[in-house]
Amino acid sequence: GAVVSQHPSRVICKSGTSVKIECRSLDFQATTMFWYRQFPKKSLMLMATSNEGSKATYEQGVEKDKFLINHASLTLSTLTVTSAHPEDSSFYICSARGEFIGGDQETQYFGPGTRLLVL
Amino acid sequence: DAKTTQPPSMDCAEGRAANLPCNHSTISGNEYVYWYRQIHSQGPQYIIHGLKNNETNEMASLIITEDRKSSTLILPHATLRDTAVYYCIVNNAGNMLTFGGGTRLMVKP
Repeated sequence: GAVVSQHPSRVICKSGTSVKIECRSLDFQATTMFWYRQFPKKSLMLMATSNEGSKATYEQGVEKDKFLINHASLTLSTLTVTSAHPEDSSFYICSARGEFIGGDQETQYFGPGTRLLVL
Repeated sequence: DAKTTQPPSMDCAEGRAANLPCNHSTISGNEYVYWYRQIHSQGPQYIIHGLKNNETNEMASLIITEDRKSSTLILPHATLRDTAVYYCIVNNAGNMLTFGGGTRLMVKP
């Protein structure tokens, strides 16, 4: 159990366009989802935390109007990078936690990540 | 959440046990020790977690000292596929995870 998927796995877009990344919990209901960003040779940095049906809580320095997060259901959260620029090129990773059989509801499980390249 | 200290890199021979240390001297009583690993260009993979007692699952064993100020992740028979960055994270269950630099484990043939 505890499988988290992301789509797409990689995306290339032109500067100024918007890109939507989906994060799904496949076999459990995710009460909370987290979005991270990772630059080359760096560790993961938390961008925001979202609870189903509520507005996301953003970390300091993360622009909420640029990185739109929607967590409309217990199995889906989306991250939209609006008006993307080359400096937004990064590896975006989501994680989720929730209740499922055989597991605990506090451990976070991560998706495979989405590599974004903005030209 | 308490901060952790890990060696930046370690080598291990294939088939041997890999013992990855982690210091968390400021851990508080209700904080868990979590271990994740990240294989190149993939999302982090959950390995194991514990509060006070030693834990074992199909992937690894977690040994936590009695004072809880340090722990060791043990991969009993390392394979080449265990080459990854291993992160030791201490936090209150359910809180966001704060990733440090981790230990880059290189398993060599």
